[in-house]
This record gives sequence, structure tokens and C-alpha cells, in this order.
Amino acid sequence: AQKITQTQPGMFVQEKEAVTLDCTYDTSDPSYGLFWYKQPSSGEMIFLIYQGSYDQQNATEGRYSLNFQKARKSANLVISASQLGDSAMYFCAMREGKDTNAGKSTFGDGTTLTVKP
Amino acid sequence: ETGVTQTPRHLVMGMTNKKSLKCEQHLGHNAMYWYKQSAKKPLELMFVYSLEERVENNSVPSRFSPECPNSSHLFLHLHTLQPEDSALYLCASSQDRTGPDTQYFGPGTRLTVL
Repeated sequence: AQKITQTQPGMFVQEKEAVTLDCTYDTSDPSYGLFWYKQPSSGEMIFLIYQGSYDQQNATEGRYSLNFQKARKSANLVISASQLGDSAMYFCAMREGKDTNAGKSTFGDGTTLTVKP
Repeated sequence: ETGVTQTPRHLVMGMTNKKSLKCEQHLGHNAMYWYKQSAKKPLELMFVYSLEERVENNSVPSRFSPECPNSSHLFLHLHTLQPEDSALYLCASSQDRTGPDTQYFGPGTRLTVL
């Protein structure tokens, strides 16, 4: 079974509107971290936001927030007030385990977001 | 320079060539990673180094040979590659502290094998 599932290959959003990118995950490890990365056409993977499995509150970083629903195993990324520069590929990722030497990152297939002017 | 840098940014090589990709991190991290990103495929973890010791090798063909001389530098030596090895190769680093920690990526090397 896929550990990280991003069901939206492509999304469109109007500039200045909010958009939600979906991510569901599968793990039996009680300790894990969830990450979102942005990859513009230049190729660099830019870290956006992190949510730990034991965190009580949803993570927020500026215009990015993570809608963490642990029971549903979902970690959706919400981008508020979209900007043209937000057009990129977005990846959800998970790292499992307390021992980071054994901790492995699993990435989803990504969602291509296009912001329309 | 800050963050994670990679050189070269673009590389075209023939199947009989030998080349090396270089990654340098300026974040004081202890762990470094090589990933391969092919078109229409998920990101694939290739190698993980923690404190200059290889801790992960995800069944990568021997034509890819990593080297980590110190915690700031990571190389990927390439020889007798195949056209299907054409991809974006991303380097990342992390603190490698207890608990899942954030990986920071470099800009990648776009490799084309002719």
C-alpha cells in the first residue's frame, strides 16, 4: 500500500483565493512527521511546513497551514491568499520512527498547482 | 553561501563517461541524502549518510557510487550510466536529531545520459 497518497495530480486556483491540497498517509508507527515541500520549475525542493504526530495544534507558517486530522490520517496543506508565485509542484512527505538513522522519508506523487491571475 | 548547494546544475554525459555530482551543506547538519527524481515517478531515496557513515542504500545499481568525506560534503560518482538514469538528482541534509527531522534540499543536478 502506498504510504503517502496525493489524489490531486493538478489543481487550479484564482489569485488571492485559498486552496487545499490533499494528503493522506499510512503508518503504524506512533512517531512520525509530516512535511510539505514546494518544487518550482527550477527543481529545488523548498520546505514549507512540518507537523509532528504528537503535536496538539495544527502547524502554521505564514500563508501555509496544515489541516492535521490524525484519526483520518490526513495532512492537507492550506494555502491562503494564493499568489502567482505559488504555482509549482507540491509534495507531501512522511518520516517515521524515533530513531532518525532508521527514519525514512516517503514522498507522495505530488500535486501541480496553477494560480490563475 | 547558505543552505544546500549542488554542482553542476546541469550535466550531459555519454554512457561511457565518468562524472561526479557534488553537494555541500552549510547548515551544520549531520545527515546527508541523495534522491533521484524521474519524470512521472515519485522521489526515490538512493543513499543516506549519518555522521559520514552510510546508513541506507536503497538497492541502487553499483554504477552509482556515493562518497561522504565529511558531514558537509557529499558526492555521487557516476560511471557507465544508462539513458534511464537521466533524472533530477537532489541532495538533502538534516540535523539527524532524535525524532523525525526536516530535510533541506539543494537545487538539484539535472542529468541527461545520451
